[in-house]
Amino acid sequence: SAVISQKPSRDICQRGTSLTIQCQVDSQVTMMFWYRQQPGQSLTLIATANQGSEATYESGFVIDKFPISRPNLTFSTLTVSNMSPEDSSIYLCSASGSSYEQYFGPGTRLTVT
Amino acid sequence: GENVEQHPSTLSVQEGDSAVIKCTYSDSASNYFPWYKQELGKGPQLIIDIRSNVGEKKDQRIAVTLNKTAKHFSLHITETQPEDSAVYFCAASKDSSNTGKLIFGQGTTLQVKP
Repeated sequence: SAVISQKPSRDICQRGTSLTIQCQVDSQVTMMFWYRQQPGQSLTLIATANQGSEATYESGFVIDKFPISRPNLTFSTLTVSNMSPEDSSIYLCSASGSSYEQYFGPGTRLTVT
Repeated sequence: GENVEQHPSTLSVQEGDSAVIKCTYSDSASNYFPWYKQELGKGPQLIIDIRSNVGEKKDQRIAVTLNKTAKHFSLHITETQPEDSAVYFCAASKDSSNTGKLIFGQGTTLQVKP
């Protein structure tokens, strides 16, 4: 299994600003994913982060709002841009290596005021 | 696209009893079905998974069954303990690669009463 850490663990931000969330994996992984989980809700995939290429976004999510970087096989960032209160959520990073298994980080709890 | 329905949304059992959570999926091409446990303030933890070439898998007190014909799979927890209390999510993946994206069910809040 992979051990995944995220920074920051939580933040309170002003509307109109941006926040970059970092995700670090303790081993090289093929794919990294970013999910959003609104309070008391299930997980929704934002995008798949591919190393060396553009991220693949799901319907309803766009690169201008959620730019993603994947500079190497152990690290990725998600930026939440021009934030509004509707962006208040938990953002989760996950990683998958050579098998189907996907492991999650602890999440970043974002509150936008 | 794929849709995963999960039931019940909440489940309360007495310590020592069994708990069963059920999920159905819509896309017959789905071939990987993991279950996650999420405790308050933490990320989801993979607890067991099953692939479409297997009908049942067991790991100590937890087991998962898969019925491909009916397109449903279930999580069974026996001899429940208070520390089993959490939110449980099922998911499905249909990508043919080894790194498929997951579609999650709505979640089940399990409460085990001591």
